[in-house]
Amino acid sequence: DGGITQSPKYLFRKEGQNVTLSCEQNLNHDAMYWYRQDPGQGLRLIYYSQIVNDFQKGDIAEGYSVSREKKESFPLTVTSAQKNPTAFYLCASSPGNTGELFFGEGSRLTVL
Amino acid sequence: AQSVSQHNHHVILSEAASLELGCNYSYGGTVNLFWYVQYPGQHLQLLLKYFSGDPLVKGIKGFEAEFIKSKFSFNLRKPSVQWSDTAEYFCAVKQGAGNNRKLIWGLGTSLAVNP
Repeated sequence: DGGITQSPKYLFRKEGQNVTLSCEQNLNHDAMYWYRQDPGQGLRLIYYSQIVNDFQKGDIAEGYSVSREKKESFPLTVTSAQKNPTAFYLCASSPGNTGELFFGEGSRLTVL
Repeated sequence: AQSVSQHNHHVILSEAASLELGCNYSYGGTVNLFWYVQYPGQHLQLLLKYFSGDPLVKGIKGFEAEFIKSKFSFNLRKPSVQWSDTAEYFCAVKQGAGNNRKLIWGLGTSLAVNP
């Protein structure tokens, strides 16, 4: 089935450690996105990529990094510089620029 | 800054009650409008969308929304809710042309439907 796969679904990390969240899509979409979802705060854009080998910062990029070496893949690294990393992370892709997004099931990161 | 406001943060209804969730936005230009839904344990998915044409749009599972340009609103409605409608609902607005960086999200409304 076509879709977006995020892994892991749940992740625990000690303070000071970097962690990488995987996002793979087989929808042949050019654009991909990473959002952070916190209770009562909606979705906030971390990074986005319109095309392979290019990505742009979103509203809350500090403490995060991404790469886009393949069209299908857009991994997110949560670095030790992110002050409050415990959150639910959503990856999405889009076929164009209408605003319609397709989401993965999310990765819940907990920092102990 | 442009914004999207969802008036109700938490809504509790009994089955068969009617639902209306408010959404207002602050951008004055051309917009694409969306309602997304997140059922418990499932991924966020599109409920309905408006790009142009008939301002009354119908989505999945009996939901509909009406775009009222003069009020900058895009309220979601369902005449009779079911327990399975329990979910979080997000309104989103794409401002003008350009890439989806300009997609602005509301804070969400948590709907609980009691059987």
